[in-house]
Amino acid sequence: LAKTTQPISMDSYEGQEVNITCSHNNIATNDYITWYQQFPSQGPRFIIQGYKTKVTNEVASLFIPADRKSSTLSLPRVSLSDTAVYYCLVALYSGGYNKLIFGAGTRLAVHP
Amino acid sequence: EPEVTQTPSHQVTQMGQEVILRCVPISNHLYFYWYRQILGQKVEFLVSFYNNEISEKSEIFDDQFSVERPDGSNFTLKIRSTKLEDSAMYFCASSDGTGPPDTQYFGPGTRLTVL
Repeated sequence: LAKTTQPISMDSYEGQEVNITCSHNNIATNDYITWYQQFPSQGPRFIIQGYKTKVTNEVASLFIPADRKSSTLSLPRVSLSDTAVYYCLVALYSGGYNKLIFGAGTRLAVHP
Repeated sequence: EPEVTQTPSHQVTQMGQEVILRCVPISNHLYFYWYRQILGQKVEFLVSFYNNEISEKSEIFDDQFSVERPDGSNFTLKIRSTKLEDSAMYFCASSDGTGPPDTQYFGPGTRLTVL
């Protein structure tokens, strides 16, 4: 499984756009990039996933350059409730399931 | 929106006792997982389960651990003889396997405290 590197922590203010970049230099051809969010004492919550280019849903956007060695999670206009840990994961889809390997994640603090 | 549920939310037990953590995965999902998170540490994979058997397990998942799908809705994790170091949040997850990719949905967790 490809190793991921992301900032340990970030600070932002309400209403700002937040971009969290994850490096995954050893990503393999069949790997997908997935982001999860976790609040204290809660289970990880799926945010978004993609393979290449750009993916957007109602919560976030995910930008993946052509070489796929990094990805950027973009959260538009964050609010206090977006304060959480954000995990970037690279997972091989092995015909039914993939084992998720979580790193330390990025601890995002949104300030008033 | 369908969600994974877990019971109990908090379990306190004495060292050496057996505990069973229960999960109800999303109804049409076929793949089931257990993860754990020791306070302040990373989320760690324990085991994946498909078609009534273990697909993969981690080094953490030793002989003290077992999983079962006793009926069509529940998925359980049993720890036979709990140790102090088993104190953690235990998360169940499920996926429908219709990827790629495979999206896992997590439950709210059971906080296990071993005294």
